[in-house]
Amino acid sequence: DAKTTQPPSMDCAEGRAANLPCNHSTISGNEYVYWYRQIHSQGPQYIIHGLKNNETNEMASLIITEDRKSSTLILPHATLRDTAVYYCIVRPSNNTDKLIFGTGTRLQVFP
Amino acid sequence: NAGVTQTPKFQVLKTGQSMTLQCAQDMNHNSMYWYRQDPGMGLRLIYYSASEGTTDKGEVPNGYNVSRLNKREFSLRLESAAPSQTSVYFCASSEPWGLQPQHFGDGTRLSIL
Repeated sequence: DAKTTQPPSMDCAEGRAANLPCNHSTISGNEYVYWYRQIHSQGPQYIIHGLKNNETNEMASLIITEDRKSSTLILPHATLRDTAVYYCIVRPSNNTDKLIFGTGTRLQVFP
Repeated sequence: NAGVTQTPKFQVLKTGQSMTLQCAQDMNHNSMYWYRQDPGMGLRLIYYSASEGTTDKGEVPNGYNVSRLNKREFSLRLESAAPSQTSVYFCASSEPWGLQPQHFGDGTRLSIL
């Protein structure tokens, strides 16, 4: 499974866009990029996933570079409740079982 | 809709004691998982069950056993607890086909003295 690299921490002002980067330079053609977040003391929460096209849902947008070696999760208008650890995970399309979590990015949204 | 429910939420054990962590999901999912999370680290897969009646080892299975009791329930047992098993344990469920996301419970915080 491809490895991901994320910055350990980031800050963002409330109301501004939070852009969380992820490097996955060894990603292969059948591997998807998933994002989860973990708010303190809770279980991880699924946010979004994509293969090569940009994706958007009610929570966030996912921008994947053309070479697929990196991606960015965008929270368009961050709120204090978005303070959490964000995990970028690469998952093969034929592996329906295993998620490999790294240490993620701790996003702190401040007033 | 409760999603994934874990019991208990907190537990303190003495070394050598046994304990079963319970997990139940009400989303009719076929696949269920057990993870552990240690301070400052991501989640690591202990065991998973792709469907009722099947279980497989994950990344860190030593010291644990699991039972897929039925489609709804997946339990994790520590036969002889050790301090190294102090952790937060998360259960998750998902559909096994395609790329369906996993849904997580809120965890069991287990301390072993």
